[in-house]
Amino acid sequence: DAKTTQPPSMDCAEGRAANLPCNHSTISGNEYVYWYRQIHSQGPQYIIHGLKNNETNEMASLIITEDRKSSTLILPHATLRDTAVYYCIVRVYTGNQFYFGTGTSLTVIP
Amino acid sequence: GAGVSQTPSNKVTEKGKYVELRCDPISGHTALYWYRQSLGQGPEFLIYFQGTGAADDSGLPNDRFFAVRPEGSVSTLKIQRTERGDSAVYLCASSSLGLHTEQFFGPGTRLTVL
Repeated sequence: DAKTTQPPSMDCAEGRAANLPCNHSTISGNEYVYWYRQIHSQGPQYIIHGLKNNETNEMASLIITEDRKSSTLILPHATLRDTAVYYCIVRVYTGNQFYFGTGTSLTVIP
Repeated sequence: GAGVSQTPSNKVTEKGKYVELRCDPISGHTALYWYRQSLGQGPEFLIYFQGTGAADDSGLPNDRFFAVRPEGSVSTLKIQRTERGDSAVYLCASSSLGLHTEQFFGPGTRLTVL
């Protein structure tokens, strides 16, 4: 599976949009982009996934560039509860492994 | 059940001992995964079960690690002759069948090998 690169940490003001970038320049055609987050001392939690098109759900939006080499997770109105480590993962749709990497530690500031 | 549960939540053992970590997946989920997470790192894949069989065990670090799921539900991760380097949080996840199905994670078992 392709690897991902994320900034190690980011801050965001409460109520503002949090934009978390991810590079996956070696992604192949059948690999999907997934985002999970992990709040301290808990297991990871699914956020969203996509292949080519932008996706939105009740938690976040996922913007994937046309060449699919990078993506951005957007939390539209960050709250203090969104403070967590966010993992960008690429995965073959039939694959069983998730390669998590080290993620981005997002701190939402009051 | 409400979610994936793991027992014990914490386990302290001595170097060389044998430990078993248990995972109760969400009822009806046929897929079950074990991960290991060291401090400051993301979860690292260990093994994946589809039903009772281990479909992919390529992440197990060595032959001291073994996992079973005899009835296709509860799974046990077994570690023989524990070493200090085995200290980590061991996470279990389960999912239903199908493409792009979400993995639901348990809270993990924190293993400390003294």
